[in-house]
Amino acid sequence: DTEVTQTPKHLVMGMTNKKSLKCEQHMGHRAMYWYKQKAKKPPELMFVYSYEKLSINESVPSRFSPECPNSSLLNLHLHALQPEDSALYLCASSQASGRVPYFLFGPGTRLTVL
Amino acid sequence: AQSVTQLDSHVSVSEGTPVLLRCNYSSSYSPSLFWYVQHPNKGLQLLLKYTSAATLVKGINGFEAEFKKSETSFHLTKPSAHMSDAAEYFCVVSDSTGNQFYFGTGTSLTVIP
Repeated sequence: DTEVTQTPKHLVMGMTNKKSLKCEQHMGHRAMYWYKQKAKKPPELMFVYSYEKLSINESVPSRFSPECPNSSLLNLHLHALQPEDSALYLCASSQASGRVPYFLFGPGTRLTVL
Repeated sequence: AQSVTQLDSHVSVSEGTPVLLRCNYSSSYSPSLFWYVQHPNKGLQLLLKYTSAATLVKGINGFEAEFKKSETSFHLTKPSAHMSDAAEYFCVVSDSTGNQFYFGTGTSLTVIP
């Protein structure tokens, strides 16, 4: 299994809803990432988990809450989002050390906040 | 600190002609460099990566890139563009720990029939 999976593919939510995005990989990668991407822009880093511990939080608003239940799973919990949070949310994984690192990205979740 | 500059925000080529997407990097150490492609409404797919084993790197779909330390460049090329190559391309450099990745601003490739 050499891919990163993300669910759901599309999500529409109101500003009062609570929802979660899920990411999964079974390659033994020990670093996992959440990125936010707006149209025609590069991905913006939100969070990095290294060995299941949050190592980087790029000053993301608290309405986004990451969780890493185990080394294969990464969740992003969403609450009280704003319309400007509408974007493509990408999960990625990489080996935390050792051989040359590179990202493997998931296909993304297209989020629309109404 | 690491950074990447993609010199062209848009490139337009005719089908069957060569493609050149330019990338310059800044790094205080020997970098790891990558090119990713993103088709509309899709995730990012790794095209190729530079690992310091060889300066000319071959990737998928006929793409290749040459690492030139003296010019701090890692330009992406393809001899003959195909319609399916129309996409956004990102040049990426990683830090020395391999935990942080720095993206260029992207180049949008249009292929004209």
